[in-house]
Parts: sequence; C-alpha cells; structure tokens
Amino acid sequence: NAGVTQTPKFQVLKTGQSMTLQCAQDMNHEYMSWYRQDPGMGLRLIHYSVGAGITDQGEVPNGYNVSRSTTEDFPLRLLSAAPSQTSVYFCASRPGAGGAGEKLFFGSGTQLSVL
Amino acid sequence: SQQGEEDPQALSIQEGENATMNCSYKTSINNLQWYRQNSGRGLVHLILIRSNEREKHSGRLRVTLDTSKKSSSLLITASRAADTASYFCATDKNDYKLSFGAGTTVTVRA
Repeated sequence: NAGVTQTPKFQVLKTGQSMTLQCAQDMNHEYMSWYRQDPGMGLRLIHYSVGAGITDQGEVPNGYNVSRSTTEDFPLRLLSAAPSQTSVYFCASRPGAGGAGEKLFFGSGTQLSVL
Repeated sequence: SQQGEEDPQALSIQEGENATMNCSYKTSINNLQWYRQNSGRGLVHLILIRSNEREKHSGRLRVTLDTSKKSSSLLITASRAADTASYFCATDKNDYKLSFGAGTTVTVRA
C-alpha cells in the first residue's frame, strides 16, 4: 500500500493564481483532512471529510475549497493564491468517520510558495 | 484556536539521556495523541492515551495524562540520534477535528 500520497511536493505560484493540491489514499479510509503547517504555529485544520460527498470546515477554511467525490481522493483548491497561503500542506486520513480513538496517517506534504 | 501547547519549544540532550516534554490543553478531551515529525517529512503517530487512562508505555516512550490539570507528558528514555525530530501533541474531542500544538523540537547530540 502507498498510504497517503500528495502531489506535487513543491509548488511556486504567483499571487492570484489558482491550483489544486492532490491527495489520494489507498487504505479505504472514510475520514480525510487537510492541514497547513506554519513555523511556530503547529498544524491547523483547513477542511475535513467524513465520507464521499461530505465535507466540512476546519479552523482556517478561508481561501480554500474541497470536494470528496470518491473515497480515495480529497483535493484542496486554492481559488486565488495569496502570500499568506505560503505554507506546508499535509493531507491526513484515518479509517473511520466515527471520530475519536483513531490515529491519523499523514502524507509527505506539499511545500507551497506564493510570490 | 489550537487546543494543545507543548513545553519546552526546544530541547537539546546528550545521546543516552532522557527527554521529557509537556502538553497542556484547554477543554475536556476524549483522547490525546503524540506524533513525531522528522525534518521535511509528514507526521507519524507515536501513541494514544484515552481520557480514562493515566499512563501508557510503548517501547522507550512513556506518556502520562492528568485530566484534572489538563496536561500530558511524553518521556523518551535512553535517547538516540534517530530521536532527533519535532514532537506534537494532538487533542481529540470526538468532533472530527484533531487539534495540534506547536510542537517541541528535540535535538539529540552524539
């Protein structure tokens, strides 16, 4: 199993450009999520999904869109990139949508720079 | 807002010594988890402790949880160079939003 796969690993955007960060998992996990990691601030939850067709906002959702058309894929869209979105983005999944008591499996991250 | 806060922010120890880091949180939780992040990589789950547990062990790791003080500690015994990493606590309130602290960076000197 590949686990959680994120692409691309690195991306440079100009202010105002849009792009999609890809995340795929091959573990048949119901729950998937996106975090951003900034120096000194730990990880902050952007959006999450408890199953295909179901998404919800996390702590910092503004400027980002998500969709979950299949169990495997959970793409994150930046609609109009801003320098404040320069960060490292992590996708994570866990088996059940029931919530508590399950560990997250993380992808290797996407380092995004917005100029 | 972030639920957990780790202390200290950074820790430097000699190989073979023990490393202790603490996590404080603000509201009631269902469980607390610890993760490790090696430089430039994704986070890896280390250990989970439930709110009705007080102590848990996994290899060289020992985690304690004090729900009355809303705090947890992670002890790494007999540290090795490979333990050099950032360590994060994450609180789970059973609301689908696992909340991470800012982390403790541990450096193990040879």
